[in-house]
Amino acid sequence: AQRVTQPEKLLSVFKGAPVELKCNYSYSGSPELFWYVQYSRQRLQLLLRHISRESIKGFTADLNKGETSFHLKKPFAQEEDSAMYYCALSGPDDYKLSFGAGTTVTVRA
Amino acid sequence: NAGVTQTPKFQVLKTGQSMTLQCAQDMNHEYMSWYRQDPGMGLRLIHYSVGAGITDQGEVPNGYNVSRSTTEDFPLRLLSAAPSQTSVYFCASSYRRRSGETQYFGPGTRLLVL
Repeated sequence: AQRVTQPEKLLSVFKGAPVELKCNYSYSGSPELFWYVQYSRQRLQLLLRHISRESIKGFTADLNKGETSFHLKKPFAQEEDSAMYYCALSGPDDYKLSFGAGTTVTVRA
Repeated sequence: NAGVTQTPKFQVLKTGQSMTLQCAQDMNHEYMSWYRQDPGMGLRLIHYSVGAGITDQGEVPNGYNVSRSTTEDFPLRLLSAAPSQTSVYFCASSYRRRSGETQYFGPGTRLLVL
């Protein structure tokens, strides 16, 4: 069975400080991994996915197959980064997404 | 493009009532799905469809029905509402070219069952 675990429900950091959101997964095979974000009063949207190896809004995420993790990082948090973040995975030949419980990030001035 | 639209935005039901949550997309996406969002549980897949006339169950399908008669529309029906179905419901869609496609979400429908 596939599972996504986000151990932190809440994360509070100061503006300019580094922020790391943890995500661990369980999947028998090679999954596709994603981070989705939901800003206040906005709809859920894709932040980044591991196959693209891209940096979006200063965020990066590295897939560690040995530790089955896909942690999201940003070296200098901004107030506009305050949001709910979801880690998600899908199978390589699948479209269904399995989401973690989500982490609410608050960036304080 | 309107993207993914959902109606209504908010609904209050009494236990036992039925209703249909509407979802439509204008991006010609083959894949559509319904999720429910509950505190501490993230989003859980209810039903999904890979094209018109094809639907399948997700993780939590009990108490819900879907149909996909057109590419654009994917309504979710609550047959007999229960308080446990109080939640925020999101519809999403994507192309079906390959896995890893970006899924586009609607604004959500907040449902309260009394």
